[in-house]
Amino acid sequence: DAGVIQSPRHEVTEMGQEVTLRCKPISGHDYLFWYRQTMMRGLELLIYFNNNVPIDDSGMPEDRFSAKMPNASFSTLKIQPSEPRDSAVYFCASKNLAIGAEQYFGPGTRLTVT
Amino acid sequence: QQQVKQSPQSLIVQKGGIPIINCAYENTAFDYFPWYQQFPGKGPALLIAIRPDVSEKKEGRFTISFNKSAKQFSLHIMDSQPGDSATYFCAASKGSARQLTFGSGTQLTVLP
Repeated sequence: DAGVIQSPRHEVTEMGQEVTLRCKPISGHDYLFWYRQTMMRGLELLIYFNNNVPIDDSGMPEDRFSAKMPNASFSTLKIQPSEPRDSAVYFCASKNLAIGAEQYFGPGTRLTVT
Repeated sequence: QQQVKQSPQSLIVQKGGIPIINCAYENTAFDYFPWYQQFPGKGPALLIAIRPDVSEKKEGRFTISFNKSAKQFSLHIMDSQPGDSATYFCAASKGSARQLTFGSGTQLTVLP
């Protein structure tokens, strides 16, 4: 298995632009998590899905952030409009609860908003 | 209640030393305590995990010590190597969804 796949790996955009981050979880995994990592706040859970259904989005910082999971093999995290303070590394992780509690992280997307 | 406090923020040891990273939690409902290792430019990866019914778990050079009454757990790295230089995160979770709450991370440097 290729692991969790995220794209793009790097994104540089101007303030006010829309940004879409993409994630392909490991096949067969029924949970998908979106995290944000910054020096100041560490690793923060933004939202997670179970069987494509959003379960907890309390970590989404503002209405500018939205996430979808249209099917078991794809999820997006959208920021519209983007702001400089959104600059961070965004990670997607997935797991199969029936196998165990381990979450498998993707390589992350480094977002820079200028 | 959801916080996991991790210390130290950074740690430098000589090769062969035994770095120790500590974490403390408040929520007694937590029932799963993993440690993740992260190398620069990579996502975190599970290193070792423990449940509160045991006080210690070893996997290779990595050991978790768990003190349920004190609500603390720690990671020990025996015979540390320069390749162990990374950022280490403790975490905790409860419930079937295993939603993780992460500590703030410890940047470990092992000098050759």
